[in-house]
Amino acid sequence: DGGITQSPKYLFRKEGQNVTLSCEQNLNHDAMYWYRQDPGQGLRLIYYSQIVNDFQKGDIAEGYSVSREKKESFPLTVTSAQKNPTAFYLCASSATSGSRNEQFFGPGTRLTVL
Amino acid sequence: AQSVAQPEDQVNVAEGNPLTVKCTYSVSGNPYLFWYVQYPNRGLQFLLKYITGDNLVKGSYGFEAEFNKSQTSFHLKKPSALVSDSALYFCAVRDYYGGATNKLIFGTGTLLAVQP
Repeated sequence: DGGITQSPKYLFRKEGQNVTLSCEQNLNHDAMYWYRQDPGQGLRLIYYSQIVNDFQKGDIAEGYSVSREKKESFPLTVTSAQKNPTAFYLCASSATSGSRNEQFFGPGTRLTVL
Repeated sequence: AQSVAQPEDQVNVAEGNPLTVKCTYSVSGNPYLFWYVQYPNRGLQFLLKYITGDNLVKGSYGFEAEFNKSQTSFHLKKPSALVSDSALYFCAVRDYYGGATNKLIFGTGTLLAVQP
């Protein structure tokens, strides 16, 4: 799982609550990403950020929000507007230049709505 | 639009036999292709990538992949499978038009089951 940490590993949420998932990296990467993984659907991109204080919506951004105030950190908030938030959430980071362009992933957070 | 397909949901192979996990892609321009592996309840681990150069790419844990431009394929291979290779495998292609230099598009994954 490299130099990326995600916390918590498991998270339980009641309906109507907002929750924030943490992602920190010490790889000095400019770009960071949030994915959602559901069985049989692979990984779907929620948000990504190429540089501090800037981020873009991915394919399934509705009901989620992010911030990128520091290079090392890219927290994801799952809001009450997300109708089906139960899933496995993965954070990743990558360089934005040079030959090392692969993404490195954290260990993931499993979110369950009660 | 860029896309990648993994036509098999599951591949079964006996330990010691060669394995192949298939991936095909559709891109505009030259593709950047990647393979990742995921063990249960873990993040994805990078295995190998094709950017340019030799069509046969060697990666971690004895895996290799063959880039075939005419067939638009990037199949993952290993000469002799191990039970410990049992995991979920993802193929990915770099998205040139998403604004992020290294934004990836992932396939739906192929579950590899290696029987002892």
